[in-house]
Amino acid sequence: DAGVTQSPTHLIKTRGQQVTLRCSPKSGHDTVSWYQQALGQGPQFIFQYYEEEERQRGNFPDRFSGHQFPNYSSELNVNALLLGDSALYLCASVRGEETQYFGPGTRLLVL
Amino acid sequence: GNSVTQMEGPVTLSEEAFLTINCTYTATGYPSLFWYVQYPGEGLQLLLKATKADDKGSNKGFEATYRKETTSFHLEKGSVQVSDSAVYFCALKPRGTSGTYKYIFGTGTRLKVLA
Repeated sequence: DAGVTQSPTHLIKTRGQQVTLRCSPKSGHDTVSWYQQALGQGPQFIFQYYEEEERQRGNFPDRFSGHQFPNYSSELNVNALLLGDSALYLCASVRGEETQYFGPGTRLLVL
Repeated sequence: GNSVTQMEGPVTLSEEAFLTINCTYTATGYPSLFWYVQYPGEGLQLLLKATKADDKGSNKGFEATYRKETTSFHLEKGSVQVSDSAVYFCALKPRGTSGTYKYIFGTGTRLKVLA
């Protein structure tokens, strides 16, 4: 049983560019959340998707957007990248009231 | 609001030493509490959880008890190994937020175990 998978593992972009990160949830899971983990910090909630809609959002600007597909996979898009967007981006999935499971993350470096 | 406070690291111990990592929380109602572990270069792995007061979560020799009176969820292990070296995160899921998964994390505590 595959767990949560994310791609790519690493990414380097320059300021002002746009980036798309991808996540496949654990088998049987239908809800996906995205978190940003800056270096030396705990993960910060970005948003959550269920039934292809954004259900809850953290304190992140509109430059951060997402999408969920009918197969429950998800994308995180970040526009107009800033140096401060450099971080590990974690995807997590869950079904119902079970425990949330995290993927290995995508490490984004903005130069 | 909801928040999690963890003891600052790094924590450096010799192999077979006793480990305690303190975690306290602020929340409305009674949240679910979690400990996650992050090994170098990896994502988060669930270590243990507790969903109500006085519950004890345990896994791989680690344990933590949900203490409502002191709003704490301290992580303990009787004898650490070098392989336990990692960053440990305490987290909460607010109660009454069915259908949402906005976990609140602490800043993490780095543990280094020396042989």
